[in-house]
Amino acid sequence: AQTVTQSQPEMSVQEAETVTLSCTYDTSESDYYLFWYKQPPSRQMILVIRQEAYKQQNATENRFSVNFQKAAKSFSLKISDSQLGDAAMYFCAYRSAFSVDQGAQKLVFGQGTRLTINP
Amino acid sequence: GAGVSQSPRYKVAKRGQDVALRCDPISGHVSLFWYQQALGQGPEFLTYFQNEAQLDKSGLPSDRFFAERPEGSVSTLKIQRTQQEDSAVYLCASSFWKTQYFGPGTRLLVL
Repeated sequence: AQTVTQSQPEMSVQEAETVTLSCTYDTSESDYYLFWYKQPPSRQMILVIRQEAYKQQNATENRFSVNFQKAAKSFSLKISDSQLGDAAMYFCAYRSAFSVDQGAQKLVFGQGTRLTINP
Repeated sequence: GAGVSQSPRYKVAKRGQDVALRCDPISGHVSLFWYQQALGQGPEFLTYFQNEAQLDKSGLPSDRFFAERPEGSVSTLKIQRTQQEDSAVYLCASSFWKTQYFGPGTRLLVL
């Protein structure tokens, strides 16, 4: 079974600075998707960024970018120019790319990292 | 367009009571998922539908949990004879292909 580990329960950063959230995962599969989701106190889970394992290029979305190291099974999220609205729980998640396994589409989440932005 | 909606947003139940949680997915999304999120934890998978077919229910914690999606759209998660350990946020997500989009969740408190 796949597992996702986020080793930083809490992180804090000064507004306008850069912060990196860590995520490692364990899988025997070669093709999969990785996600970062943001969950503000209102509880709505919002997709931040997605990475396909077959792509060597790291995904970027405006101020958010990832460092995907497939061999090391590492998938960190970098937030540049941090803003007060970035404060939230951040979850790393894994999803198999194989559709023949009917359970494969479920997301496996890490425990989350609570990010605080200091003004 | 409209996102995933869930109702009720909050539910307080007495131990032993039955509850029903509703999820309205994004229109056109064939896949629908239910997750359970305990306080301070990441969501954990409960069950998965593709249209009206329940293809995976391996995450349901006991036979008191039951989910349905009879017409391939709205889904209901039912918990019978609720216990205190059922207290959690129940998240619904729908997807068309690679990405799942989440609703706001239902916070269930069992007293």
